[in-house]
Amino acid sequence: DQQVKQNSPSLSVQEGRISILNCDYTNSMFDYFLWYKKYPAEGPTFLISISSIKDKNEDGRFTVFLNKSAKHLSLHIVPSQPGDSAVYFCAASRLYGGSQGNLIFGKGTKLSVKP
Amino acid sequence: NAGVTQTPKFQVLKTGQSMTLQCAQDMNHNSMYWYRQDPGMGLRLIYYSASEGTTDKGEVPNGYNVSRLNKREFSLRLESAAPSQTSVYFCASSELPQPKQYFGPGTRLTVT
Repeated sequence: DQQVKQNSPSLSVQEGRISILNCDYTNSMFDYFLWYKKYPAEGPTFLISISSIKDKNEDGRFTVFLNKSAKHLSLHIVPSQPGDSAVYFCAASRLYGGSQGNLIFGKGTKLSVKP
Repeated sequence: NAGVTQTPKFQVLKTGQSMTLQCAQDMNHNSMYWYRQDPGMGLRLIYYSASEGTTDKGEVPNGYNVSRLNKREFSLRLESAAPSQTSVYFCASSELPQPKQYFGPGTRLTVT
């Protein structure tokens, strides 16, 4: 059973508008969450992360929100740019306990930002 | 710094052939990982090495073996390739307890 779910396989947004990518998780033991960005024929690159002790983390145009009670996180990109077009993966981790540091990935959301 | 490097970039194998995928990192990280990515499946962990001298199975280890050759290098071996192992393979490294992983560019493997 999937522990990290990205229910939207794709998202299309106009340049300059906000992109919102969603992620849900089922395991309440996860305490650290990351977003990765992947261009075709390249490896994933780290974008932004958030610890479970926070509900928001911001880095430039990228903000991640965490709602622990709903087991939901979202990535906001404002304003969206054509260069943001990529596949975005949500990942979750347990910092403590067994398999610490291992990442569980969602299936990804393909974002297309149209000029 | 090159970060995480992987060789080869592409490989075509026939069913039953064997091969080794190589991975090296120059960030002095303790932990290294092998993932596979299939269309619509995200990244799934095959094996990981939390530190030099240790290896553990991940989510999808069947059909694979690994070797942590030293702190820098972590190889993935397919002893008898099967078409189901057609995938893109990514190596990653991290410095625990930080969970952030750094990925290589990937190896695209086709088994016919």
